[in-house]
Amino acid sequence: DAGVIQSPRHEVTEMGQEVTLRCKPISGHNSLFWYRQTMMRGLELLIYFNNNVPIDDSGMPEDRFSAKMPNASFSTLKIQPSEPRDSAVYFCASSLRGSSGNTIYFGEGSWLTVV
Amino acid sequence: GQQLNQSPQSMFIQEGEDVSMNCTSSSIFNTWLWYKQDPGEGPVLLIALYKAGELTSNGRLTAQFGITRKDSFLNISASIPSDVGIYFCAGKLSSTTSGTYKYIFGTGTRLKVLA
Repeated sequence: DAGVIQSPRHEVTEMGQEVTLRCKPISGHNSLFWYRQTMMRGLELLIYFNNNVPIDDSGMPEDRFSAKMPNASFSTLKIQPSEPRDSAVYFCASSLRGSSGNTIYFGEGSWLTVV
Repeated sequence: GQQLNQSPQSMFIQEGEDVSMNCTSSSIFNTWLWYKQDPGEGPVLLIALYKAGELTSNGRLTAQFGITRKDSFLNISASIPSDVGIYFCAGKLSSTTSGTYKYIFGTGTRLKVLA
């Protein structure tokens, strides 16, 4: 079975450029989460969706960050304009609400470097 | 953002030794998950716990859901070199009003096994 698919796996961009990270959740899952991982702050929840609707975006650091989920099989996390402090690994995860425990499954991450 | 207190932060052990790590929180959770993250990869689920007091095993791994629902423990028996990695706990926070949920992650335990 295909897991959570993220793209790009790696991206290096210059400060001020727009960055778009993409995620395809596991088919049939109805909850989607975006996390950011850094050495200093560990895994932080940025935003999560349930049935394509954003439920809690309190973890989104600034207005430069935005996330969308236009349909059940696709989500994007956009940073515009990007800054060096945005360098981190961004993980997308999905789960099936209503299943036992609502276990979440992670993608392999998008490794972002802003220079 | 919210995080769980996980300890120890890191540990070096000899191959064959048993390992214990734990997570504590001031919040009550109704699900605990334990993940392992290898370098360059996303977290992979090891064990899921759904009830207070529950003790669950997965091979050499055993995890327990604390009675108070504010803590959880992970034990690894007879460690081997491939156990090296970062172990994360995650607690599930549910919203009684919206029926949605999110997972908060621990700060991670970095395990290094000496052959």
